[in-house]
Amino acid sequence: LAKTTQPISMDSYEGQEVNITCSHNNIATNDYITWYQQFPSQGPRFIIQGYKTKVTNEVASLFIPADRKSSTLSLPRVSLSDTAVYYCLVVGNSGYSTLTFGKGTMLLVSP
Amino acid sequence: DTGVSQNPRHKITKRGQNVTFRCDPISEHNRLYWYRQTLGQGPEFLTYFQNEAQLEKSRLLSDRFSAERPKGSFSTLEIQRTEQGDSAMYLCALFRGAGELFFGEGSRLTVL
Repeated sequence: LAKTTQPISMDSYEGQEVNITCSHNNIATNDYITWYQQFPSQGPRFIIQGYKTKVTNEVASLFIPADRKSSTLSLPRVSLSDTAVYYCLVVGNSGYSTLTFGKGTMLLVSP
Repeated sequence: DTGVSQNPRHKITKRGQNVTFRCDPISEHNRLYWYRQTLGQGPEFLTYFQNEAQLEKSRLLSDRFSAERPKGSFSTLEIQRTEQGDSAMYLCALFRGAGELFFGEGSRLTVL
């Protein structure tokens, strides 16, 4: 299982771009990298998924370097409502695995 | 469309009682996961099913915990002889492929 490491917390202000990096040194060749957002008293919500290079959707961008040992979730122009915990999760392509979350990054966006 | 209903949303029980949580997927999904989450921690894997087969169970799960998915659709998670340390949010999730887990709103357990 690819263990992930993220900063425990980050602070930002409204309108800024936020980059959260996750380290996954022992990622396997067929593993995907996924990111989730979680608000208090709710289940995590899938944000974005990628395998290599860059992926962008309407919510965020995901940057993955060539060695794939880390990934960076980029949130453009954050708002107060982006205050949440963000988790990266490495998922085996075969799918038959325990999908193990780390402790996540608590992002606090201030006015 | 994917949706997951979990019941009950909140459960308060006394230590030593048994509790059961239910997870109802709106549509068919082969793979179903159960997680437990305590305050300040990420979701902790408990077990997962491929259809009705329970493929893996966390070593952290004591014998007091049991899960079933009898027809490959809904699933139940039972905790026997609850302890205060069992107080947590219990989350059910469906695997939609390409690493995407779709979570329900969770069932919060408080053991007094």
